[in-house]
Amino acid sequence: KQEVTQIPAALSVPEGENLVLNCSFTDSAIYNLQWFRQDPGKGLTSLLLIQSSQREQTSGRLNASLDKSSGRSTLYIAASQPGDSATYLCAVLTGGFKTIFGAGTRLFVKA
Amino acid sequence: DGGITQSPKYLFRKEGQNVTLSCEQNLNHDAMYWYRQDPGQGLRLIYYSQIVNDFQKGDIAEGYSVSREKKESFPLTVTSAQKNPTAFYLCASSRRDRVDNEQFFGPGTRLTVL
Repeated sequence: KQEVTQIPAALSVPEGENLVLNCSFTDSAIYNLQWFRQDPGKGLTSLLLIQSSQREQTSGRLNASLDKSSGRSTLYIAASQPGDSATYLCAVLTGGFKTIFGAGTRLFVKA
Repeated sequence: DGGITQSPKYLFRKEGQNVTLSCEQNLNHDAMYWYRQDPGQGLRLIYYSQIVNDFQKGDIAEGYSVSREKKESFPLTVTSAQKNPTAFYLCASSRRDRVDNEQFFGPGTRLTVL
């Protein structure tokens, strides 16, 4: 059974710091991995999608990597800003057309 | 603007009452999903539909029902059989493509049992 884990559960950093969020999954047989952002009381906003054949994707200050063999993905945020404060979730698409989500990392960027 | 709408934003249910949550999308996506989110937990799949007039149970379908009569709409009914329905409910849609099925989410409905 596929399980997705995100560590740490919460993270507080000063503004301007570069940071890395981690996501691990137990079964490497995935079709893709997606990173989302969620603000309190809101829906999820898609940040990046990495197909299983890709190693990384970039969008602005965000870079996501995927290593299927080790069951890991990282989300790198450069030059963090207070507006980046939110919960970040990763999710993997598995066989059976199901997406499995991690519990998220709550990020707080201090001004 | 293309997107997903959910209504209502807040919903209160009395014991023994059925309620229906609305989800509409204008992204021309074939696949639609319903998730439940509880504090400190990841999203859990309730039901999903890959095509009109067809849907499958997710991991926590007991006490819920859905219909998919139109491509744009995927309403979720929370029945009185659902013992702990208080949660945040999220609807999503995507292309029906295993490799590039980027999911897009609505703003959510918060359901509270009185």
